[in-house]
Amino acid sequence: AQSVTQLDSQVPVFEEAPVELRCNYSSSVSVYLFWYVQYPNQGLQLLLKYLSGSTLVKGINGFEAEFNKSQTSFHLRKPSVHISDTAEYFCAVGGYQKVTFGIGTKLQVIP
Amino acid sequence: GAVVSQHPSWVICKSGTSVKIECRSLDFQATTMFWYRQFPKQSLMLMATSNEGSKATYEQGVEKDKFLINHASLTLSTLTVTSAHPEDSSFYICSANQGVYSNQPQHFGDGTRLSIL
Repeated sequence: AQSVTQLDSQVPVFEEAPVELRCNYSSSVSVYLFWYVQYPNQGLQLLLKYLSGSTLVKGINGFEAEFNKSQTSFHLRKPSVHISDTAEYFCAVGGYQKVTFGIGTKLQVIP
Repeated sequence: GAVVSQHPSWVICKSGTSVKIECRSLDFQATTMFWYRQFPKQSLMLMATSNEGSKATYEQGVEKDKFLINHASLTLSTLTVTSAHPEDSSFYICSANQGVYSNQPQHFGDGTRLSIL
């Protein structure tokens, strides 16, 4: 069984400020972790993924995430956000077959 | 690469109508595609796994007679919502895997917003 917990449903942040979106997971098998972004009325776009190797993963649009096995976390970070980063972000665990998504975190960037 | 196209993007129709949604992998072959449903302010819930040339595997609680899935080729899967009612109004998203390895992420279509009047 696998599950994902996104601790914050909404995160407001001022433009150019740093942001961290939190994600904790549980999985009984090999852990593959993903962050997706969803803009209004659109599908999901892959931001980054952790499969193995380095625990710090860099993705698109300046985002990065760190896999922490001991804390079962995969938090998403960006050092300086832009208005265009306003969207909903989903953490997911799984892979080829079963993917389980978190409930999502709405990032609201304030000008 | 790895583009998944979903059509239509928006559908408004009367109660009792059947609606077909198409999901295509444009630049790769997808032996497996997935159909999700997203309610407002909620996450994606997997409805079914669509396998090319065989019957779809439905998640618990999803009515297979209500949501008909056909995966006729390696690049096309369709979801038909039969005799749709207002409670079927939702955002439906399909996805497909580019590779065959267990650690490859799914690529998503842009979704179809279905509104039943």
